[in-house]
Amino acid sequence: QKEVEQNSGPLSVPEGAIASLNCTYSDRGSQSFFWYRQYSGKSPELIMSIYSNGDKEDGRFTAQLNKASQYVSLLIRDSQPSDSATYLCAPNRGKAAGNKLTFGGGTRVLVKP
Amino acid sequence: EAGVTQFPSHSVIEKGQTVTLRCDPISGHDNLYWYRRVMGKEIKFLLHFVKESKQDESGMPNNRFLAERTGGTYSTLKVQPAELEDSGVYFCASSRDRGLLNTEAFFGQGTRLTVV
Repeated sequence: QKEVEQNSGPLSVPEGAIASLNCTYSDRGSQSFFWYRQYSGKSPELIMSIYSNGDKEDGRFTAQLNKASQYVSLLIRDSQPSDSATYLCAPNRGKAAGNKLTFGGGTRVLVKP
Repeated sequence: EAGVTQFPSHSVIEKGQTVTLRCDPISGHDNLYWYRRVMGKEIKFLLHFVKESKQDESGMPNNRFLAERTGGTYSTLKVQPAELEDSGVYFCASSRDRGLLNTEAFFGQGTRLTVV
């Protein structure tokens, strides 16, 4: 079992629709959860972080965390072609573990005009 | 503020040769991380520096890999001798130290290493 599981996609959504990305993790010691966006050939860019159970909204992005189910998700509302990228889920165990990130394989999102 | 900079962006070397990758973190960032993504796999942690000290090198594949961070500034990752399975994209990331708080890790563009 992988430490962080993501559907590789591609997840194809029409422009203006909601893209829903899911991530499950196996390490119950995970404290913080990050979503990175990576365009092809570029560096991962942090778009969301979430630390507590529930929802966190930032612009068109909403992250949802359920620690009991070891599940974290990312919703992208009003999807734009510029949102087409690979989205990486990355939990970490906090400062005691050096804040090192454990990445999933990523979900490729394609937003079609 | 300049971002995390990595050199070179691409490197193609023959099996058995030596390659040195360099990372310049964001100024003032005490934490420096090396990660690697091999073809078809997830990005994996290699090691973590706090200033000039190696905090965690549990992800280093073997003793052919040597990382240094001179004076707590830039870092180098040397692979000697390189093997075919070392091919991949090597990312460097840096972050501030804010006590117990988690801080955002900023990533460099990566170095694509191809061993032939």
